[in-house]
Amino acid sequence: AQSVTQLDSHVSVSEGTPVLLRCNYSSSYSPSLFWYVQHPNKGLQLLLKYTSAATLVKGINGFEAEFKKSETSFHLTKPSAHMSDAAEYFCVVTLYNFNKFYFGSGTKLNVKP
Amino acid sequence: DAGVIQSPRHEVTEMGQEVTLRCKPISGHDYLFWYRQTMMRGLELLIYFNNNVPIDDSGMPEDRFSAKMPNASFSTLKIQPSEPRDSAVYFCASSLVESNQPQHFGDGTRLSIL
Repeated sequence: AQSVTQLDSHVSVSEGTPVLLRCNYSSSYSPSLFWYVQHPNKGLQLLLKYTSAATLVKGINGFEAEFKKSETSFHLTKPSAHMSDAAEYFCVVTLYNFNKFYFGSGTKLNVKP
Repeated sequence: DAGVIQSPRHEVTEMGQEVTLRCKPISGHDYLFWYRQTMMRGLELLIYFNNNVPIDDSGMPEDRFSAKMPNASFSTLKIQPSEPRDSAVYFCASSLVESNQPQHFGDGTRLSIL
């Protein structure tokens, strides 16, 4: 069975400080993993994806994530938060060679000035 | 490139009325997905198509919901009759057939059933 757990429903940081959004997954097979961002009243936008290549994945807007198989984690980080990063973030797992997505419950990121 | 296009962006209607949501996937994409998003239940997959054929509709809540994909460039999600608990944001997404390709989402239709 496949599932994904986002460990924090809300994260609050100050502008200019690092961001860490945590995601753990379970999968019977080699997974592909994605992070999406959703700004208010918008659809989900792909931030980055991991598909069994390099374990450290760089995405848009300065975000990156590291795939750690031993910890079954795929945490999203950014060195310095910007006000425009305030949004909801979703971790997604899918099976290799299969297109069905399994979404985490989302983490709302608040960025304080 | 044009992304996934959904219409309408907002729909307000009274319970009992028929509601039709529309989606145009990205050209060349083989998979199309319909999702529903609510505060209580988060993102739920309703149904998805591969090459216009429904593959998995196990997420469709009940018989009042139906989805069609008459051709590669158009899909509809219909609710008849609509109920207040159907109020949600409905997203359409599409992706390529190659494994591990990301899904591309439309901006959604915000549906309010009064």
